[in-house]
Amino acid sequence: GAGVSQSPSNKVTEKGKDVELRCDPISGHTALYWYRQSLGQGLEFLIYFQGNSAPDKSGLPSDRFSAERTGGSVSTLTIQRTQQEDSAVYLCASSPQKNQPQHFGDGTRLSIL
Amino acid sequence: GENVEQHPSTLSVQEGDSAVIKCTYSDSASNYFPWYKQELGKGPQLIIDIRSNVGEKKDQRIAVTLNKTAKHFSLHITETQPEDSAVYFCAASSTNTGNQFYFGTGTSLTVIP
Repeated sequence: GAGVSQSPSNKVTEKGKDVELRCDPISGHTALYWYRQSLGQGLEFLIYFQGNSAPDKSGLPSDRFSAERTGGSVSTLTIQRTQQEDSAVYLCASSPQKNQPQHFGDGTRLSIL
Repeated sequence: GENVEQHPSTLSVQEGDSAVIKCTYSDSASNYFPWYKQELGKGPQLIIDIRSNVGEKKDQRIAVTLNKTAKHFSLHITETQPEDSAVYFCAASSTNTGNQFYFGTGTSLTVIP
């Protein structure tokens, strides 16, 4: 497809379980961002990948959160030992390079019971 | 770091009237300012952006103005239509720190038919 694709679109899991969220960026985009959006709130930066450079992890809220980007394309965001406060929409965006327009996926709505 | 404030948080206008949303930023190094529209259940979509080397940019019914001295920028929507109803986010980033986009907290716009 032409846009950023995220899967799953919805995820419901029990507290304490691990979850993996996937992002397929637009082909050729070197920059990839993960954000978290809580209900009715703005976008909270989590992590940024640029090409083969070391990722900027400064926004990750705890060591339960991690992300990787394989082959400079697909990225996965992993949340270990989920807590109820992790419930939110997780958005992925990509751009041709940093500081250029970001294209967002429709997000994964994560609900922790 | 950068701090972006957005006002108002909610805005209701009659169809055909204009809507204005304002954002301020704190980091004078910020030089790229995109605006996003987010519809329910969707990811944010870029609607217009401006770089610090220009003061105004228009695209049909949408315009953005930038005042670098005062560190504020605004979104103007003219001849509003019901399909303009959505949440709008402003953001700021810098070429020097292009890893992060700093988002406002959003404005929920309702256009009343």
